[in-house]
Amino acid sequence: EADIYQTPRYLVIGTGKKITLECSQTMGHDKMYWYQQDPGMELHLIHYSYGVNSTEKGDLSSESTVSRIRTEHFPLTLESARPSHTSQYLCASSPGGNTIYFGEGSWLTVV
Amino acid sequence: GENVEQHPSTLSVQEGDSAVIKCTYSDSASNYFPWYKQELGKGPQLIIDIRSNVGEKKDQRIAVTLNKTAKHFSLHITETQPEDSAVYFCAASPTFGNEKLTFGTGTRLTIIP
Repeated sequence: EADIYQTPRYLVIGTGKKITLECSQTMGHDKMYWYQQDPGMELHLIHYSYGVNSTEKGDLSSESTVSRIRTEHFPLTLESARPSHTSQYLCASSPGGNTIYFGEGSWLTVV
Repeated sequence: GENVEQHPSTLSVQEGDSAVIKCTYSDSASNYFPWYKQELGKGPQLIIDIRSNVGEKKDQRIAVTLNKTAKHFSLHITETQPEDSAVYFCAASPTFGNEKLTFGTGTRLTIIP
């Protein structure tokens, strides 16, 4: 079992609100990732980080932003949520190579 | 960029029978092919992977085959059990790292008791 945690697991929020999805891992992994997954669809990488103070955009364009101030913490923020942001957001971490551990996901619904 | 197609999108199999899920990829530079299992309400978990220098890999009831010439790879589950019910994703990557992983669209596998 991987020690990677996401909160909240489920969130319903109104349009225009600011939200932050939290992701923490206790494995000391340098690499962390955020994926977006619509129901029944494939995962798309939206952000990743190689370590503290490193953030990169993934293949799928996203209006969200991320920060990496501490190794164990990789929060994702939406400044002004819109219905099109409704999706599942999966956080993951890796010790390197191709090994990757996923969190259980955060389901976001914007109404 | 890489394009990964996965079939079928849904699959129902009688308990004890075998299940096969197939994926094709487009980028001949891809050399790493993992398979993930995602149970309801959970994140994907790696169940088996294969690299381009190997044609087949087996782990108990799960096996993966790779045909680099045809650019396709398949997941085989034998003696299926109810706990095998989940969504399975294939993926392909040209690099040693996860930043270029391209996922298939997933197969919802249901094992009928």
